[in-house]
Formats: sequence, structure tokens, C-alpha cells
Amino acid sequence: DTGVSQDPRHKITKRGQNVTFRCDPISEHNRLYWYRQTLGQGPEFLTYFQNEAQLEKSRLLSDRFSAERPKGSFSTLEIQRTEQGDSAMYLCASSSDYEQYFGPGTRLTVT
Amino acid sequence: GENVEQHPSTLSVQEGDSAVIKCTYSDSASNYFPWYKQELGKRPQLIIDIRSNVGEKKDQRIAVTLNKTAKHFSLHITETQPEDSAVYFCAAGYYGNNRLAFGKGNQVVVIP
Repeated sequence: DTGVSQDPRHKITKRGQNVTFRCDPISEHNRLYWYRQTLGQGPEFLTYFQNEAQLEKSRLLSDRFSAERPKGSFSTLEIQRTEQGDSAMYLCASSSDYEQYFGPGTRLTVT
Repeated sequence: GENVEQHPSTLSVQEGDSAVIKCTYSDSASNYFPWYKQELGKRPQLIIDIRSNVGEKKDQRIAVTLNKTAKHFSLHITETQPEDSAVYFCAAGYYGNNRLAFGKGNQVVVIP
């Protein structure tokens, strides 16, 4: 499968715990995006990387969120001290030009 | 920032009929308008997109039209089939900004 992959697909955690998600983009894509989607809503932009550089962050991305793309390939999104409001689907997308292709997402449930 | 609105929120059509979903956007700098289809529990799938230098684009049974003056764009699905049932999201962005602003989605139900 040469599409965008994400791991894990589901994560259940207790409030206050830290979680980390991984995204592997399409191999030739130098741009990588993180979005968050809640039930009944469209994806909301969180952050964007071009190669290893994080070029843009949304105001939605509080200090508890951090994202990295250390070698310009895969990316990780970490949420520290999770809150119930963090429960959502976290989607990763990649592109080489305009078109963004999404991964299957990681569904986070904070109990 | 960019604000994208979709209408209607739910659309039911008889199989074989056409479906039209409209979106409006607020930022006149936006020049890229994709449409995504999302089936329950699956990833958003890019189905068609249009850039601001054209007014219409067609791909088999789906087409997208863009009116930059009025700041709206529409998705047209002809000869609808049950497998077209899904949530459709429109989005807007511009090259160099890279973030896409999505609408809230339209639930399309094709009745056999």
C-alpha cells in the first residue's frame, strides 16, 4: 500500500496521560499536514511541515501538542496531559503539490 | 481566516437523479478548491478539485463549478448510484498557505 498510513488506528487513554501518534506519508511527498476531525465536522487544520521544517501551526494547537518530522519522512504528533476535549480523529495528509491525500486517521478516546 | 460553508447539510436523491452541493468561501485569496468524499469510518478521499484559473472541471459523473466573483463553488453528481452515498466535504485554500479550510460536510443519501 503506497498511501498515507497512520499508527495506531485507535487509542484509548486516561485523562492526564501522554499519547503519541505516527504518520507515514506517501514516499515522494515533501509536505505533511495534521488535522483533527470531530463528529459531524470537517477536518480542522493543526500544523504543516515542508520536509523537516514545521512552517505553520494553528491556534488550535495548544502548548500540550507538539509535532515533529525529524528526517522529513514520517511525523509524530504528541499530546501531553490529555483532556476529554482532545477526543477526536487525528488525520494526517501529505502532498507534493496542491492535492492533499489523507491517511486513515487515529481515533483518540480520552476517558 | 478562511470560512467555508456548505448547503444543504443533508441531501436525499433518487438513484439516477442528480445531486448538487454548494459551498461558499470568505477569503478572496483562496485559489484551490477540492472536494472530498468520506464514507463512514473511512478516510476523506479526494474526488475532484478545481483551481481558480478555470470555471469548471469534469471527471466522468462528477463536476465542479467555480464562481470567483460570488465566492462560491458547487459539486455536481449525475446519474447517482447507491455507492455515492457518503458525506462530502468542500474545502478552500491557496498555494503557499497550504492549510485547507473545510466545510462541515453534506450527507448525501441515494435512495435505490
